[in-house]
Amino acid sequence: LAKTTQPISMDSYEGQEVNITCSHNNIATNDYITWYQQFPSQGPRFIIQGYKTKVTNEVASLFIPADRKSSTLSLPRVSLSDTAVYYCLVGEPDQTGANNLFFGTGTRLTVIP
Amino acid sequence: DSGVTQTPKHLITATGQRVTLRCSPRSGDLSVYWYQQSLDQGLQFLIQYYNGEERAKGNILERFSAQQFPDLHSELNLSSLELGDSALYFCASSPSVNEQFFGPGTRLTVL
Repeated sequence: LAKTTQPISMDSYEGQEVNITCSHNNIATNDYITWYQQFPSQGPRFIIQGYKTKVTNEVASLFIPADRKSSTLSLPRVSLSDTAVYYCLVGEPDQTGANNLFFGTGTRLTVIP
Repeated sequence: DSGVTQTPKHLITATGQRVTLRCSPRSGDLSVYWYQQSLDQGLQFLIQYYNGEERAKGNILERFSAQQFPDLHSELNLSSLELGDSALYFCASSPSVNEQFFGPGTRLTVL
């Protein structure tokens, strides 16, 4: 049973805000939600992580509703260099014993000039 | 550059063979994770080590095994290889609960 699902692809024009949603209906109490960006032939790169409500850093915001069964990555004013695949990761990245970590199916974002 | 190194970058081998993939984590990171990325299965968590001890297992096949050495580098051993094992294998290391730093990956092709 897939733990995380995402839209397969999205297109956006440069300068627009992009929102990518991940569904994780079976999220466990201790699970965190983490988002990664991946370019072709490279390893995923950390974007943002949250547990509940809203988290913001210099590149993105993460919105998590109260039931935590979904999360939304928000990228403000995207540029061509944001064209990549975006993954959500649900699990407990605890150094003392991670819960099984589940990556979403990935969303391919294409930014159009 | 994430600071995580993986060798080799590419590996081509035949079915039934055994290979070893190597990962050196970032300096100071005690946790090492292994992932498999294939076109049909996506990114899958395989196993985690913390300071030399196995901490969590994901979808790792019995033909696969891993270990983390006292110097914290890790090796992923894949045996009795099948065509379906062809994939990108990523190693990641982590200094905390917040983020993992991924290496460039090893592309394994089984012919």
